[in-house]
Amino acid sequence: AQSVAQPEDQVNVAEGNPLTVKCTYSVSGNPYLFWYVQYPNRGLQFLLKYITGDNLVKGSYGFEAEFNKSQTSFHLKKPSALVSDSALYFCAVVPGLSGYSTLTFGKGTMLLVSP
Amino acid sequence: GAGVSQSPSNKVTEKGKDVELRCDPISGHTALYWYRQSLGQGLEFLIYFQGNSAPDKSGLPSDRFSAERTGGSVSTLTIQRTQQEDSAVYLCASRFTSGPEETQYFGPGTRLLVL
Repeated sequence: AQSVAQPEDQVNVAEGNPLTVKCTYSVSGNPYLFWYVQYPNRGLQFLLKYITGDNLVKGSYGFEAEFNKSQTSFHLKKPSALVSDSALYFCAVVPGLSGYSTLTFGKGTMLLVSP
Repeated sequence: GAGVSQSPSNKVTEKGKDVELRCDPISGHTALYWYRQSLGQGLEFLIYFQGNSAPDKSGLPSDRFSAERTGGSVSTLTIQRTQQEDSAVYLCASRFTSGPEETQYFGPGTRLLVL
């Protein structure tokens, strides 16, 4: 069975500084990886995904993530954080080419960006 | 077109009552998912529909939970004899196909409080 670990419950960063939200996964075969963001009292909003190809994936709002197969990681990054980036971030995985469809989510990481 | 919609947005009920939660997926999306989000628990998969069939209902926590989908569109999640531990946000998501590379799009959720 697949699993996702987001080792930090909360990440604090000052506005203008780079941010990283960590994600590691366990899956059989090649993973398909996703990042979602949830703003207060809202549903999840898609940020980016890795399916195949370049290990560095660029997504919405200036976010990017790097797939590292050897470290089984898919950390979310942004060069310069904004206060408006403060939200709950979820990493998710599904085994690619498996016929299995359902995403497995991590428990989420709260990102707090201070002015 | 419109995104995924869910109703009601909030529901307060008394222990022992039945509740019905509704999800309207994005038009044309054949795959539909229900999740439960409890405080500090991340997203818990409940059930997945492909068309009107549910190939994976492994996440339903008990036989008090059931779901159906009609016309390949609207889905309802029913919780019978609600318990206080059912209090959570129930999220619905849809995707164009069930292919694992496809992005899931989430609705805003229904916040259920069982008193």
